[in-house]
Amino acid sequence: RKEVEQDPGPFNVPEGATVAFNCTYSNSASQSFFWYRQDCRKEPKLLMSVYSSGNEDGRFTAQLNRASQYISLLIRDSKLSDSATYLCVVNDFNKFYFGSGTKLNVKP
Amino acid sequence: GAVVSQHPSWVICKSGTSVKIECRSLDFQATTMFWYRQFPKQSLMLMATSNEGSKATYEQGVEKDKFLINHASLTLSTLTVTSAHPEDSSFYICSARDAPAGPQHFGDGTRLSIL
Repeated sequence: RKEVEQDPGPFNVPEGATVAFNCTYSNSASQSFFWYRQDCRKEPKLLMSVYSSGNEDGRFTAQLNRASQYISLLIRDSKLSDSATYLCVVNDFNKFYFGSGTKLNVKP
Repeated sequence: GAVVSQHPSWVICKSGTSVKIECRSLDFQATTMFWYRQFPKQSLMLMATSNEGSKATYEQGVEKDKFLINHASLTLSTLTVTSAHPEDSSFYICSARDAPAGPQHFGDGTRLSIL
């Protein structure tokens, strides 16, 4: 079983739609959690850290459910510029585990 | 803050050449840096963890004699792809973090093309 699992997509949505990404992880002792976005042929860029209480940054909301070992990212009012691959990343001590990424295509 | 710089961003060279890639943390010290490789339409694959002042820890299947890692200071790690061949062509990315349990910050990546 993979340490981090994500739906690979692609998710094709119209502008303005709300889209949700989900991610599950296998190690219940995992310490920290992040969402990154990666544009084509570019390096991943940190989108947001995920905290137990849930956190929001503008149109983006991240949630963590430790009991279910589940992380989510919600994007509201999606823009064309949100088109990218979204990576779920889990940190166990000094090791990071990446999901395979979910590709998002926002269409006009 | 937390900027990681990687150089060069693009390399094209002949088969058999050795290529050195540098990864620098510009505004923080990093005792640990990470080297990844990514093939088109695939996930990032961790190659090795670079430890300042000691040997790197390589992932299973990654040849340490092929991918030499040196982490001589708290702000610089280098990856040398020795005697590169076309199958080594890939996108190589380094990362570091500025706080324990904090996120990784990635360099811009190096696109390596071996002819």
